Formats: sequence, C-alpha cells, structure tokens
Amino acid sequence: DSGVTQTPKHLITATGQRVTLRCSPRSGDLSVYWYQQSLDQGLQFLIHYYNGEERAKGNILERFSAQQFPDLHSELNLSSLELGDSALYFCASSVAEFGYTFGSGTRLTVV
Amino acid sequence: GQQVMQIPQYQHVQEGEDFTTYCNSSTTLSNIQWYKQRPGGHPVFLIQLVKSGEVKKQKRLTFQFGEAKKNSSLHITATQTTDVGTYFCAGSGTYKYIFGTGTRLKVLA
Repeated sequence: DSGVTQTPKHLITATGQRVTLRCSPRSGDLSVYWYQQSLDQGLQFLIHYYNGEERAKGNILERFSAQQFPDLHSELNLSSLELGDSALYFCASSVAEFGYTFGSGTRLTVV
Repeated sequence: GQQVMQIPQYQHVQEGEDFTTYCNSSTTLSNIQWYKQRPGGHPVFLIQLVKSGEVKKQKRLTFQFGEAKKNSSLHITATQTTDVGTYFCAGSGTYKYIFGTGTRLKVLA
C-alpha cells in the first residue's frame, strides 16, 4: 500500500457518459498529480493541484476537469466519454526529492 | 513544449546480460527521476539525480545524469527476472514532471 488511494479500481462505462475518479494523497502531502496512461503508452501529465489550487495543466481535454477539496482529496471528472479515453488514470502525491508516490490507478474502459 | 524521449522502446535480454536505457530531454533539467513499473502495476520511484555528471548506484542499477543535464541513463548489470518491467525517466518541469516514453524490459530465463 503506497498510501495514495484511488477509487474505483475499475470502471466500465458507455460512450457519452460522465465518470468521476477519486484520489486521496498520502497523509501530509498537499500535492495531487493526475496522469493518463493509455495501452502501452507513457504517462501523460494531466493536471497538478497543490493545497486546493491548480498549479499546472498539461494536455488535458476540455471534457476533463479536476478539483482538490479542503480535505486534500481530489477528483478527476471525465465527461462525454469517447472510446479513446479508455486508459489507466493514476494520481500521485509527492514530497520534494523523494519522488512521486503513485496510487494503484483506475482502469477506465469506455465501450 | 518540453519533451522527454527514451530509447530503446523495447529490450529483450537473456538473464545475466546487461541492460541500458537512455533518456533525452529537449530542455535542460534541474533534476531527473527514474521509475519502474512492473506489468499490471503502478510506477515506483527509484531515484532522483540533481547534479551535472552525477552517478548513483543502487545494487545492480547505475544511474547517470549528463554533464549538460539534458540526458540520463540507467544501466542494470547482470539482469534478473525480477528486473522485468517498464523503466521511465521523468524530467523536471514547472510544477510537474514530464515522463519519458519508457523502455520495456523483458528478461528471458
């Protein structure tokens, strides 16, 4: 257990639907990062929140949005889902030079 | 935008052979990190390099950061089946890390 909790682990939904992925960072970590990993692909940076504020944005689609709540958990909302959105979605938290600690990911399948 | 490339994309080695993956950034990095992702797992942090020309070792793994801080390498000596997985480098960006494309290592027993 890395200490970063992601739910759900698996999600199957239809095209056009909306889903919410949830992440709780390690206790004491203020940052949450979201990454998308498509099949056999690298990790694409989506967005970074620090203590409730958006710090950086990657190539995140307009159909995707995120927020970080006062208790520091974060949610990634994906709407108008397309087949190509099927991927593993990881969140991570970090402490300086100790690198990212990743959650176990949410595997999203859009059918 | 900032890009981080890795070569090779795939590598199959016989158990006991050495393995090296190379990472190149389009921009100068303040630091670089390396991660390992086992099949079906999540990326796990291995190490961070900060200084120009820095070399760090972890048992059979040797990490190097280039003098210009734009490239890095990971070398595994005498691979074992437990080394199987995808190795990613991640270059420091503004408030985020940009991950390389990864090198998938398969070790044949």
